[in-house]
Amino acid sequence: EAGVTQFPSHSVIEKGQTVTLRCDPISGHDNLYWYRRVMGKEIKFLLHFVKESKQDESGMPNNRFLAERTGGTYSTLKVQPAELEDSGVYFCASSQPFRGTLNEQFFGPGTRLTVL
Amino acid sequence: AQTVTQSQPEMSVQEAETVTLSCTYDTSESDYYLFWYKQPPSRQMILVIRQEAYKQQNATENRFSVNFQKAAKSFSLKISDSQLGDAAMYFCAYRSQGGSEKLVFGKGTKLTVNP
Repeated sequence: EAGVTQFPSHSVIEKGQTVTLRCDPISGHDNLYWYRRVMGKEIKFLLHFVKESKQDESGMPNNRFLAERTGGTYSTLKVQPAELEDSGVYFCASSQPFRGTLNEQFFGPGTRLTVL
Repeated sequence: AQTVTQSQPEMSVQEAETVTLSCTYDTSESDYYLFWYKQPPSRQMILVIRQEAYKQQNATENRFSVNFQKAAKSFSLKISDSQLGDAAMYFCAYRSQGGSEKLVFGKGTKLTVNP
């Protein structure tokens, strides 16, 4: 079974540019999560999709970040325009469509974003 | 809001020895879950062990075990018979039982295993 995949693995852009990160969850996983780890800090939650709906977007830092999950399959996270403080590793995770402790979140390898 | 604190940025252990990683958390909730995740160098984060707060018995998974002290809000991870493959970043995480499914992470502890 394929795990969670993320693309690209690395991205280097200049301040003011736009970047789109993609996440493909494990097949059949209705839940999809985005997290971010800024250098030296905690991994922080960004948002949670259930299928194509945003269940919780309380962690989105500002309106420069736009997450979508059309059709309830893969998800994209767009940063426009990127700022220096957006640099970090962006993780995606997915879990099966039921609540409870068995609802393990499986993580992707992350996308390392560097904004110059 | 819940917070998770890992006070040891780095730890090292000799192969075959035992090491304990510390984690404390702050919450006003009575029902929740706690997790330890492992991220090997350049690899994906994987779940090592989990604990439901309502269970008094400490969780165990092979060489990995936890010491869960609910009153003290402490959740340490013990790795017995350490192996070279245990070298990784270890993250402690908290999740509410109800409401949001988001994980709240600590900053992580980098574990080095010396041969």
